[in-house]
Amino acid sequence: SQQGEEDPQALSIQEGENATMNCSYKTSINNLQWYRQNSGRGLVHLILIRSNEREKHSGRLRVTLDTSKKSSSLLITASRAADTASYFCATDMRMDSSYKLIFGSGTRLLVRP
Amino acid sequence: AAGVIQSPRHLIKEKRETATLKCYPIPRHDTVYWYQQGPGQDPQFLISFYEKMQSDKGSIPDRFSAQQFSDYHSELNMSSLELGDSALYFCASSLTGGARNEQFFGPGTRLTVL
Repeated sequence: SQQGEEDPQALSIQEGENATMNCSYKTSINNLQWYRQNSGRGLVHLILIRSNEREKHSGRLRVTLDTSKKSSSLLITASRAADTASYFCATDMRMDSSYKLIFGSGTRLLVRP
Repeated sequence: AAGVIQSPRHLIKEKRETATLKCYPIPRHDTVYWYQQGPGQDPQFLISFYEKMQSDKGSIPDRFSAQQFSDYHSELNMSSLELGDSALYFCASSLTGGARNEQFFGPGTRLTVL
């Protein structure tokens, strides 16, 4: 991956448990975003956290950002079978006129009913 | 709310053929991006357009070209297709100008090269 590693690469939990996924990146960032992808389908934007923010919540999602360690974590609380998907973090890199997203390698989450 | 539209959703081509993928961004979004996601891989940036002008290029092969039209829709043209071009191709759009750069992705086009 251009970005770095996501940890773990795969995670299997029981419905109702919490799931934590970690992401490390290499460069300085403007924002960090988390996306979800069901098998072979589109990328769904979950949450964006700015470089000057440390924590953000959205429903059952909690994202933290540690710019000193160049890392972020995504916590899904009270998981459901429908949360089964791959989760990617992405940082934006400034180019000449726009920002490109640099994705991590993703975490495959399986929530067992 | 309107989302990014991509067509076709699935495309099967033979080696050395040509393919054209289309993307319709969210209305009023001024930037369009193309990404390629190979099997089991993370998405890789290909190219972007800002206000109908090509703005940046990533790891896009010379066999590929793209453009954005006056109605803001974009097309990715792929020639001399190779087996390794089989992938999911995503288009994303965003509204540039603020500190945020939320890119909204379309459902993708799955290209299979036989």
